Amino acid sequence: GAGVSQSPSNKVTEKGKDVELRCDPISGHTALYWYRQSLGQGLEFLIYFQGNSAPDKSGLPSDRFSAERTGGSVSTLTIQRTQQEDSAVYLCASSLGITNEKLFFGSGTQLSVL
Amino acid sequence: SQELEQSPQSLIVQEGKNLTINCTSSKTLYGLYWYKQKYGEGLIFLMMLQKGGEEKSHEKITAKLDEKKQQSSLHITASQPSHAGIYLCGADRRTDKLIFGTGTRLQVFP
Repeated sequence: GAGVSQSPSNKVTEKGKDVELRCDPISGHTALYWYRQSLGQGLEFLIYFQGNSAPDKSGLPSDRFSAERTGGSVSTLTIQRTQQEDSAVYLCASSLGITNEKLFFGSGTQLSVL
Repeated sequence: SQELEQSPQSLIVQEGKNLTINCTSSKTLYGLYWYKQKYGEGLIFLMMLQKGGEEKSHEKITAKLDEKKQQSSLHITASQPSHAGIYLCGADRRTDKLIFGTGTRLQVFP
């Protein structure tokens, strides 16, 4: 596609439910990032995929969070047993994976946990 | 504490005024990115500065990288309402992943 696509754009869920957030990166981009942005805050790094290398999961806040990237393209971020503090905007970005290559961001998924 | 601190956190200026946003790193910088975010949207790339005291301009926005101070400043001349948004700096640490700052929320009123 023309840009990074994320779905859904908005997700409201009940505390304790599992949610899946999807990211479709730009075709040909080997690097894919997930970030979290709480209201009015900066971006918090969650996880990074680069080609066939093992993902960098150092930013995942707990074991309730996981992500996978199938076929080196689409990625899914899963949050199990959601908590109210998980409410945030989840942003996905992709790049060519070359050093100093700029990131292209999706519009994000606004997650609200009631 | 944050690896990348931005100041100020929030800024309200009158249209036509100049303003500066700073980004300071606690670790060595190999490159510095500036992004802008409008409410409800993803981030838009503004410019990238590489090591070496680089300075770049795009329309009325100028950014500089001071490698010795491990700091970057973004300067907007003659601000307009269209400049409003959240400005975020991102650091290249040569570790593949890009770390972002705390953000500066800019409001420009007529």
